Amino acid sequence: QLQLQESGPGLVKPAETLSLICTVSGDSISSTYYFWGWIRQPPGKGLEWIGSVYYSGNTYYNPSLESRVTISVDTSKNQFSLNLNFVTAADTALYYCARHVRTGTYFFDKWGQGALVTVSS
Amino acid sequence: SSELTQDPPVSVALGQTVKITCQGDSLRTFFASWYQQRPGQAPLLVMYGKNDRPSGIPDRFSGSSSGNTASLTITGAQAEDEADYYCNSRDSSGNHWVFGGGTKLTVL
Repeated sequence: QLQLQESGPGLVKPAETLSLICTVSGDSISSTYYFWGWIRQPPGKGLEWIGSVYYSGNTYYNPSLESRVTISVDTSKNQFSLNLNFVTAADTALYYCARHVRTGTYFFDKWGQGALVTVSS
Repeated sequence: SSELTQDPPVSVALGQTVKITCQGDSLRTFFASWYQQRPGQAPLLVMYGKNDRPSGIPDRFSGSSSGNTASLTITGAQAEDEADYYCNSRDSSGNHWVFGGGTKLTVL
């Protein structure tokens, strides 16, 4: 049974880097059928796609965040990670990792429970 | 356009039918997927592709698309369907994905 689990600091200071890891169990992150994605949700607001990564390392980023975002994959650990630089209070959100199916049509079929990250000094 | 526009909050009487829509230029080319999010929970995929339901999603959920509009219909809404619903699709470039702003569904 596929599970995704986000982990990382819950508090980040302004101007620093937000770093999260998503650990995948129950499936190989090297599968050719999937990307692996990050989505966030500020408190009381809607969902925002941050970016997705393929096991080869190819990445796709939200243009509005692209200058600050890096998503990478570690196939040996079956993990993928998110780094968001120069954070501000506007980056305070619940961060989800998800499996991003890419079999002709695209959708996020499995989600982690989310990790709340607060940006504050 | 890279935007997807969803309906304002919607209410439906228990057992009645409700349609939630999502509009965007990219929907003329790409299918939408739909996500249900109950308070305090992670989003749950309820519809994808032309009209495909993941295993475990009741058949009262159906999807359709016409022109620049994708729709999620709940036929015979139940109390447990009360949630926020989000659409998602690729943008016109095909290399990015975007979520709609969400529609809050209340079941009366």
